[in-house]
Amino acid sequence: ETGVTQTPRHLVMGMTNKKSLKCEQHLGHNAMYWYKQSAKKPLELMFVYSLEERVENNSVPSRFSPECPNSSHLFLHLHTLQPEDSALYLCASSQEWRENTQYFGPGTRLTVL
Amino acid sequence: AQTVTQSQPEMSVQEAETVTLSCTYDTSESDYYLFWYKQPPSRQMILVIRQEAYKQQNATENRFSVNFQKAAKSFSLKISDSQLGDAAMYFCAYRSATNFGNEKLTFGTGTRLTIIP
Repeated sequence: ETGVTQTPRHLVMGMTNKKSLKCEQHLGHNAMYWYKQSAKKPLELMFVYSLEERVENNSVPSRFSPECPNSSHLFLHLHTLQPEDSALYLCASSQEWRENTQYFGPGTRLTVL
Repeated sequence: AQTVTQSQPEMSVQEAETVTLSCTYDTSESDYYLFWYKQPPSRQMILVIRQEAYKQQNATENRFSVNFQKAAKSFSLKISDSQLGDAAMYFCAYRSATNFGNEKLTFGTGTRLTIIP
């Protein structure tokens, strides 16, 4: 049991749709992360939240909009995506932002048509 | 900037045998952490083992052990007595230990490990 859950596990959307990815952690952690995993590329960090405040945004296009309403929940709102945004989106959490060990969720496989 | 290189896109091993996955990294820092994560078909990223750079002793977790060569910037993972459940993508990752502005994990591209029954 990972303690980090993500929904949905699979999502297919058109370029004009608006959808949201949800992440929930049950570990009592204070930091949460969004990563993008594309085929044959290293994982790319997208956003970091610490105590519900965004502390890092790695030059992610504005069509990806994160939201962290509390320390247990993290959302990634999607709109007007491109086919190249198709990827596995992984959520992770750690005790503190500067805690070195992160625990990952199972990911959401996103396909943009 | 730090980089992590996994030069073996795919590896295979017979069940019950031993396999070693390689990882090299590039950094100018002296204090950092190294990790191996496993991603099975379920896509869950699972922490396998962690090594602190200031420790000379190689980390060990049951059948998993590392060979950490700091001077060579090498961090290989050895899996002993391979089991079918070990089949997965394995990612090597680096994280700075200086806690200002360098907190993110840098991952390699992964090695897909197949276990042959």
